[in-house]
Amino acid sequence: EAGVTQSPTHLIKTRGQQATLRCSPISGHTSVYWYQQALGLGLQFLLWYDEGEERNRGNFPPRFSGRQFPNYSSELNVNALELEDSALYLCASSYRLAGVYEQYFGPGTRLTVT
Amino acid sequence: GQNIDQPTEMTATEGAIVQINCTYQTSGFNGLFWYQQHAGEAPTFLSYNVLDGLEEKGRFSSFLSRSKGYSYLLLKELQMKDSASYLCAVRANQAGTALIFGKGTTLSVSS
Repeated sequence: EAGVTQSPTHLIKTRGQQATLRCSPISGHTSVYWYQQALGLGLQFLLWYDEGEERNRGNFPPRFSGRQFPNYSSELNVNALELEDSALYLCASSYRLAGVYEQYFGPGTRLTVT
Repeated sequence: GQNIDQPTEMTATEGAIVQINCTYQTSGFNGLFWYQQHAGEAPTFLSYNVLDGLEEKGRFSSFLSRSKGYSYLLLKELQMKDSASYLCAVRANQAGTALIFGKGTTLSVSS
């Protein structure tokens, strides 16, 4: 069974540009979560999508947005990039139903803003 | 607010036992997770606790006390490959919602 995949692996942008990150969940998983892991900080929750809808978002500005497609894959968009957006962006997927459904993480996209 | 605390770094030697503590203060509680993250890699799931007590899985065990807001991860018979960051995370609300992570504990195992 294929795991969570993310693309691209690395992304270099300049301040003010827009970045698009992509994630494909494990087959059968309907929930996709986005996290930011900046240097020296823990994983910070960004967004949660399930069944095509945004269910919850973390304490990040509106320039962080995304969507989930009918095949449950997801896109994270970061507009007006700032230097402090440089981080590892991790996508995770899980089942939506109640129970012990741990989140499975993808390898991440390393975003560097110069 | 939501707060999860764990030590920043720990060191141990091969074959030893190490305990990584985690304390949490969250608005709700619906499970505590431990993940392992090797440098440059994605976190991988280690354990899950939702009821008080000890869950054992091979060399790894995890304990939870909900009344104390406390958990620990116990690693036995340490191996060099156990050198990694260990992340404590709490699911604060109903199943399916995001996890709140601590900053992680970097464990270095030496020979």
